[in-house]
Amino acid sequence: GQQVMQIPQYQHVQEGEDFTTYCNSSTTLSNIQWYKQRPGGHPVFLIQLVKSGEVKKQKRLTFQFGEAKKNSSLHITATQTTDVGTYFCAGRESGGGADGLTFGKGTHLIIQP
Amino acid sequence: DTGVSQNPRHKITKRGQNVTFRCDPISEHNRLYWYRQTLGQGPEFLTYFQNEAQLEKSRLLSDRFSAERPKGSFSTLEIQRTEQGDSAMYLCASSFGPRVELFFGSGTQLSVL
Repeated sequence: GQQVMQIPQYQHVQEGEDFTTYCNSSTTLSNIQWYKQRPGGHPVFLIQLVKSGEVKKQKRLTFQFGEAKKNSSLHITATQTTDVGTYFCAGRESGGGADGLTFGKGTHLIIQP
Repeated sequence: DTGVSQNPRHKITKRGQNVTFRCDPISEHNRLYWYRQTLGQGPEFLTYFQNEAQLEKSRLLSDRFSAERPKGSFSTLEIQRTEQGDSAMYLCASSFGPRVELFFGSGTQLSVL
């Protein structure tokens, strides 16, 4: 079955440093979504990427979808303490009728002030 | 509050007992999803509904698990003969149509003793 892998599992940064998490799928994806989950909270949608090579920005966050639609990345510039949480990518397999998203295990972002 | 609502927030049960959880999605959303999340892991897809029809079930879903959405509004997830391995956060999400963002509820934390 489809597998979605994320690295790193944990990332410690000093406040103000940049952060990047990478997502790789074992199969080609029709689209990929990113979610953020704060400690003790539930996943909250950040963005969806659909097109090969797509790049989207939200303030300090930059999202990329790979040309082969099998990988993606999230980059945060100049992290702030409000960025703390776990970032998940989630994808749907291309060509399948399935609609259930497959989530990665997430990258836990820890920020030291 | 017009978000996704889940009840109860916490459930403690003894091994072998049956439990039932309820999810009330955002009212205009026709799709409803159930996910399970354990500590340090990403949400794992269980099943989803479009209106009252259950369209997809994970191959990992044991036959002890059953979900319903009888009138296309709220949904229930029942686990029969609970096992300690069923201990997890059970998340419900809804969406307006396919391949769009999911809105998650706060989840039901199940502890099987």
